[in-house]
Amino acid sequence: GQNIDQPTEMTATEGAIVQINCTYQTSGFNGLFWYQQHAGEAPTFLSYNVLDGLEEKGRFSSFLSRSKGYSYLLLKELQMKDSASYLCAVRARDNYGQNFVFGPGTRLSVLP
Amino acid sequence: DVKVTQSSRYLVKRTGEKVFLECVQDMDHENMFWYRQDPGLGLRLIYFSYDVKMKEKGDIPEGYSVSREKKERFSLILESASTNQTSMYLCASSSDRGHSPSYEQYFGPGTRLTVT
Repeated sequence: GQNIDQPTEMTATEGAIVQINCTYQTSGFNGLFWYQQHAGEAPTFLSYNVLDGLEEKGRFSSFLSRSKGYSYLLLKELQMKDSASYLCAVRARDNYGQNFVFGPGTRLSVLP
Repeated sequence: DVKVTQSSRYLVKRTGEKVFLECVQDMDHENMFWYRQDPGLGLRLIYFSYDVKMKEKGDIPEGYSVSREKKERFSLILESASTNQTSMYLCASSSDRGHSPSYEQYFGPGTRLTVT
């Protein structure tokens, strides 16, 4: 089966750096995704890792270690608009093709 | 831009009613998904489809059915709505044959369904 774990809530200060961790157990791993979801809105794609290492995209970076089943999302120079839930999702191959499994999400509050 | 639309943003139904939630995508994606999202539980997969007329059960299919008669449209059906089906319902689509290396999912705006 598939299992994804991430912290429920985090708080950080505007201008700071925050790291949101995600651990997973899955078979047929074929990529890890991070999505951002503001309250009442649809999730939007942030980043993708399929190989080990760090992917940087502006203020956001995502890291993957496949051997450890571990990823993190790093947000730098936090802004108030970064207050949202961050969803970790794993894509896995199964008998039907490729499926996505989501973690419970981490609600990030950015304080002034 | 990929666009995924859902028929309603808010819906209120009575217990026992048959409910249809419609999802349409305009990017010729072969994969479509229905999730429900509840506080503390995250996104849970109800049903998915990899092709027209094809459907597969997700993690929580009980009480739901789906229909995919056309590639762009994926419908979720609650045969007899119950109060425990009050939730946010999100539709998503993706492609394994696109130009993006990540083949990420694109989500609709969601339908908040309340069953009274």
